[in-house]
Amino acid sequence: GENVEQHPSTLSVQEGDSAVIKCTYSDSASNYFPWYKQELGKGPQLIIDIRSNVGEKKDQRIAVTLNKTAKHFSLHITETQPEDSAVYFCAASYSNSGYALNFGKGTSLLVTP
Amino acid sequence: DSGVTQTPKHLITATGQRVTLRCSPRSGDLSVYWYQQSLDQGLQFLIHYYNGEERAKGNILERFSAQQFPDLHSELNLSSLELGDSALYFCASSVVTGAPNGYTFGSGTRLTVV
Repeated sequence: GENVEQHPSTLSVQEGDSAVIKCTYSDSASNYFPWYKQELGKGPQLIIDIRSNVGEKKDQRIAVTLNKTAKHFSLHITETQPEDSAVYFCAASYSNSGYALNFGKGTSLLVTP
Repeated sequence: DSGVTQTPKHLITATGQRVTLRCSPRSGDLSVYWYQQSLDQGLQFLIHYYNGEERAKGNILERFSAQQFPDLHSELNLSSLELGDSALYFCASSVVTGAPNGYTFGSGTRLTVV
C-alpha cells in the first residue's frame, strides 16, 4: 500500500520566517496530495491541495510543490505568524481508492513571536 | 464549525464493551470517511461509504463495523474493545467520491478504553 513519509516531525521558526515541510510517497498511482492543519482539540482542516497534473499551487502565504518523478511534495508557508502554530499533515491518495487518504505522521510547527 | 457533526465528543468505556460513534455529514455531502488517530499509528483510514454503500476499506479491524443510513448519517460500531482502541475517531465528508474540493473533517470522538 501507499507509504507517506513526512519530515521534519517538529519545526520551530521565528515569526516572519518561512517554514518548509517535505513529504515523500511510494505509490506512483497517487494523484491527489492534500495538506491538513490540525489545531489542538480540533479535526484536521484542509489548507491546500494539489493534483498530479500540476507542479505548483499557491494560495496567499501557502504554496505546495509536487515532483511526480521523485515522488515528493512540499508545503511552504511564508511570513509565518503565531497562529500558524499547529500540526500539519500531508497525505496522498488516488482515484481508484475512492480518495482514501494515506497520511504522513505530522509536523508540529511552532512559530515564536 | 465545519458542518460535520460527530457525537459523542468524549466516551469512556471498559474493555470488552461495545460503543457506537455517530457522524452527520455536511448538508449535501454523500461520501463519509472514517479515520482513527492514535499517537503511535497517526491518522489511519478505516472505511468509506458513498450514498449508503461501502466503497473502500482500510485498516479496519473485524471487531469494527460501520454503516451509512438513508439520511446519510453514518455510525461506526466498535466491539470487544481493547485498551489499544483508545484513540480519536474522525469522520470526514465530501460531496462526491473524489473529493474535488477535499474532505471536511468533524471535530472527532475521543474514545478512552479503561
